[in-house]
Amino acid sequence: GQQVMQIPQYQHVQEGEDFTTYCNSSTTLSNIQWYKQRPGGHPVFLIQLVKSGEVKKQKRLTFQFGEAKKNSSLHITATQTTDVGTYFCAGMETGANNLFFGTGTRLTVIP
Amino acid sequence: GAVVSQHPSWVICKSGTSVKIECRSLDFQATTMFWYRQFPKQSLMLMATSNEGSKATYEQGVEKDKFLINHASLTLSTLTVTSAHPEDSSFYICSAREISGFFVQYFGPGTRLTVT
Repeated sequence: GQQVMQIPQYQHVQEGEDFTTYCNSSTTLSNIQWYKQRPGGHPVFLIQLVKSGEVKKQKRLTFQFGEAKKNSSLHITATQTTDVGTYFCAGMETGANNLFFGTGTRLTVIP
Repeated sequence: GAVVSQHPSWVICKSGTSVKIECRSLDFQATTMFWYRQFPKQSLMLMATSNEGSKATYEQGVEKDKFLINHASLTLSTLTVTSAHPEDSSFYICSAREISGFFVQYFGPGTRLTVT
């Protein structure tokens, strides 16, 4: 079955430092989505990537989709305390109907 | 943005009883809704995919007779945990996908179930 792995599992950064989480799928994806879950909250949709090699930016967040459509990354520039939470990638296998969530990366930002 | 609600937000029940959780898409229609389970500090585990007007598709290892799913309309899906046991205590989250959406899922706020 499809597996989506994320690294690192945890990341502690000083406020102002950059942060990157990587997502790898065992199968080729039709699209990949990123979600953020604050402690005690629910996943909130951030972005969807569809095209091979696609790069999208949202302010300090940069999302990339690999050429082979099997991996993706989320990079945050100059982290802030509001960035704290767990970031999940979620991939949809080509021809499938549902998302499989990655293991998540829990980000802690030290003020 | 699309809004999904869940009710109740938390529930405590006794072992052996059943609990029903509702998931509603408030401002859009969803032919497909999904039910996830999340343990503390872990990722979301897909339990089942619910399609309006048809039987739910359960993931491997999920007991369909224990977790009853009904998707009666384009805006409502329910999950009933039958004969609950303490090991069923968890955070249950639903999500809904718009009919016309590019497979983006919008999540409800979740329901925290505690079985005593």
